[in-house]
Amino acid sequence: GDSVTQMEGPVTLSEEAFLTINCTYTATGYPSLFWYVQYPGEGLQLLLKATKADDKGSNKGFEATYRKETTSFHLEKGSVQVSDSAVYFCALSVSTGNQFYFGTGTSLTVIP
Amino acid sequence: DGGITQSPKYLFRKEGQNVTLSCEQNLNHDAMYWYRQDPGQGLRLIYYSQIVNDFQKGDIAEGYSVSREKKESFPLTVTSAQKNPTAFYLCASRDLFRDTQYFGPGTRLTVL
Repeated sequence: GDSVTQMEGPVTLSEEAFLTINCTYTATGYPSLFWYVQYPGEGLQLLLKATKADDKGSNKGFEATYRKETTSFHLEKGSVQVSDSAVYFCALSVSTGNQFYFGTGTSLTVIP
Repeated sequence: DGGITQSPKYLFRKEGQNVTLSCEQNLNHDAMYWYRQDPGQGLRLIYYSQIVNDFQKGDIAEGYSVSREKKESFPLTVTSAQKNPTAFYLCASRDLFRDTQYFGPGTRLTVL
């Protein structure tokens, strides 16, 4: 079935460090891929998305490239800030299905 | 402003009581979802609705009930049959054209 596996946390980085959070997926169709971010006590916010192979989603300095050959959608940011501290969720949806599938979330803490 | 609202933000329930969580959206989305989130864990699907007057069980529907009488509203009732209801509850709606889910701010339910 359809599923998402993402890197377990927690991840702790110093400010201005490079961030990678790994995400791989299994899908029977042609999925769209997403990264959501959740700040403490809040709902999930869409961070970026990609709808087909080789697409790159980007937003607020974050990027992720849809890699069909490796079934991956890793999240990267070149220089993290304290304000990036949050939980990040990788997700997929298949156009023929009704549901979204979420990873378990990766907690990121950025220290000054 | 278009968006999803959930109320209340915090809810306390005594054991044996039913309680209803509100979810309203003005995004004109047909599909709506309820998720449960436990500390340090990912999202688990409770119920979803693709259209008014229709809804389907998700992975953890036992002890919960929903209704979808209006496109804008998808309330969730946590019944006394739910043995461990203390959690953070998230409502979402889906833009089928953009194939993207959008989330409300969440309701934190605590059983006393």
